[in-house]
Amino acid sequence: GDSVTQMQGQVTLSEDDFLFINCTYSTTWYPTLFWYVQYPGEGPQLLLKVTTANNKGISRGFEATYDKRTTSFHLQKASVQESDSAVYYCVLGHNAGAKLTFGGGTRLTVRP
Amino acid sequence: EAAVTQSPRNKVAVTGGKVTLSCNQTNNHNNMYWYRQDTGHGLRLIHYSYGAGSTEKGDIPDGYKASRPSQENFSLILELATPSQTSVYFCASGEREGDTEVFFGKGTRLTVV
Repeated sequence: GDSVTQMQGQVTLSEDDFLFINCTYSTTWYPTLFWYVQYPGEGPQLLLKVTTANNKGISRGFEATYDKRTTSFHLQKASVQESDSAVYYCVLGHNAGAKLTFGGGTRLTVRP
Repeated sequence: EAAVTQSPRNKVAVTGGKVTLSCNQTNNHNNMYWYRQDTGHGLRLIHYSYGAGSTEKGDIPDGYKASRPSQENFSLILELATPSQTSVYFCASGEREGDTEVFFGKGTRLTVV
């Protein structure tokens, strides 16, 4: 079955630091890959989406690139702000069904 | 703006009791989902639905039932609640297959004592 792995459970940075969150996935279908962000007291919300057609997504200063060779989908941002503190989920989907598979999440804390 | 509303937002239940978590969406989406969120596990899919009358098992369906009586409503039912089902539950809706955005509610915190 499908699987998603986020090895970094927690990341702590200072403002203006570079952010890199690692994600790898496994599926037998053509993947659509998402990053969702969850703020305290809220449900997850879409940050960005990437398909095999476009390979890269950019939103709110965040960027993610899909690499078919390494089955990776890393999230990065050049300069984080305190308001970016949240939990980030790497999510795998495909058009062969409705299921979405979530990674374990990465809690980002940005110190002012 | 997509809207998914969960009720109740907080619930304390006794072991062995029946619990029903409700979800309503005003997006006219075909697909609806129930996830639970636990530290270290992220979100895990319990049940999902392709439309009224349809329910499908997700990755962790044991101990849970689901009901989709209409396009708008999707319920999660714990017939015999256990302390291991203490968690935060999220409902979500999506327009079609898993290559499109889904919209989440704010969650229900369930404590089984």
